[in-house]
Amino acid sequence: AQSVTQLDSHVSVSEGTPVLLRCNYSSSYSPSLFWYVQHPNKGLQLLLKYTSAATLVKGINGFEAEFKKSETSFHLTKPSAHMSDAAEYFCVVSVRRRDGSSNTGKLIFGQGTTLQVKP
Amino acid sequence: GAVVSQHPSRVICKSGTSVKIECRSLDFQATTMFWYRQFPKQSLMLMATSNEGSKATYEQGVEKDKFLINHASLTLSTLTVTSAHPEDSSFYICSATDYDHIYEQYFGPGTRLTVT
Repeated sequence: AQSVTQLDSHVSVSEGTPVLLRCNYSSSYSPSLFWYVQHPNKGLQLLLKYTSAATLVKGINGFEAEFKKSETSFHLTKPSAHMSDAAEYFCVVSVRRRDGSSNTGKLIFGQGTTLQVKP
Repeated sequence: GAVVSQHPSRVICKSGTSVKIECRSLDFQATTMFWYRQFPKQSLMLMATSNEGSKATYEQGVEKDKFLINHASLTLSTLTVTSAHPEDSSFYICSATDYDHIYEQYFGPGTRLTVT
């Protein structure tokens, strides 16, 4: 079975400082991992995805994440926070079939991390 | 990128009535659509998976007779909440994917349902 755990429910940073949102995963197979962002009362937007290619994944709006198998982590980072980055962030893993042969198409969401950006 | 719309964006209904939510893929053919619900300050919980032309597959604990899902075409899926109760009040989000994007789902903007 696959799962993701977001280690912080709430992160607060000052504008212009780095952002780190932590996510650990559990999977018997090489996982497909995603980060999504959700602004208040809005749908979800894909920030980036890891699908067993390069371990350092660059996404939109200056975000990136590094897949570390040894640490079972997929932390999201950004060098400099902007006020518009304030939102809810979800780490997500794709559910594989029991034999690990392929993805089912289903996604499992972490509990979310609220990012607050202070001026 | 691919666009998914939902209608309505907000709906208020009285307890005991039914309400239908539409999910449309605007610029691609969605072979699979997913329905999620999200309670305030919580994560998304998958309710069901809907493949075009076949019956939806519901997650454990989701009542299929209460949450009716229809995926009659490659661009439209509907979720009908039957005999709604206040505890059904939630944010309902759909997503869609196709064979070319098996690693990615495109999400709709969500529908806020309030049952009074």
